[in-house]
Amino acid sequence: AQSVSQHNHHVILSEAASLELGCNYSYGGTVNLFWYVQSPGQGLQLLLKYFSGDTLVQGIKGFEAEFKRSQSSFNLRKPSVHWSDAAEYFCAVGASQGAQKLVFGQGTRLTINP
Amino acid sequence: DVKVTQSSRYLVKRTGEKVFLECVQDMDHENMFWYRQDPGLGLRLIYFSYDVKMKEKGDIPEGYSVSREKKERFSLILESASTNQTSMYLCASSLASGSHNEQYFGPGTRLTVT
Repeated sequence: AQSVSQHNHHVILSEAASLELGCNYSYGGTVNLFWYVQSPGQGLQLLLKYFSGDTLVQGIKGFEAEFKRSQSSFNLRKPSVHWSDAAEYFCAVGASQGAQKLVFGQGTRLTINP
Repeated sequence: DVKVTQSSRYLVKRTGEKVFLECVQDMDHENMFWYRQDPGLGLRLIYFSYDVKMKEKGDIPEGYSVSREKKERFSLILESASTNQTSMYLCASSLASGSHNEQYFGPGTRLTVT
């Protein structure tokens, strides 16, 4: 069965610190990969996505993610976090062909200390 | 921009009541999804629909049903609400092809069953 694992459930950083959130997936086939962000009380907003090509993808708000096929990973990074980045982050994976569903990780809550 | 709207942001219902959650999207998307979100569990798929009057069970369909009479509208129905259905409910939509499964989310409905 397909699965997505986000090992960090809660990350606490100081403003201007660097961020890396881990995402590993188990999926039999070629995949599309996503990171979504959810601010408190809101729906999910797409941060970035990987379909094919360059394995380092850039997203909104200064985020980037790197796809490593050999490690089945798609880690999210940001060089310097801002207080407004405090939110919950979800990694998701879907098949490149066929089924339209996504499988989501458990989420990582990011807290930013001033 | 794609817009996905949900009929209520907050809802309080009593045990045993029939509950309707409505979702509308304005971008002519073929696919629509209902998820529930619980702390530490991420998003879990309840049902999805890939066309009008078509539906498919997700990972946790028990206690829920859905209706899709028009392409833009997807309803989630709790036939007899129970306290363990207290949760955040998120609706999403996506194109059937050419979008690599990217989903667009509504703001969510926080349902409390007392």
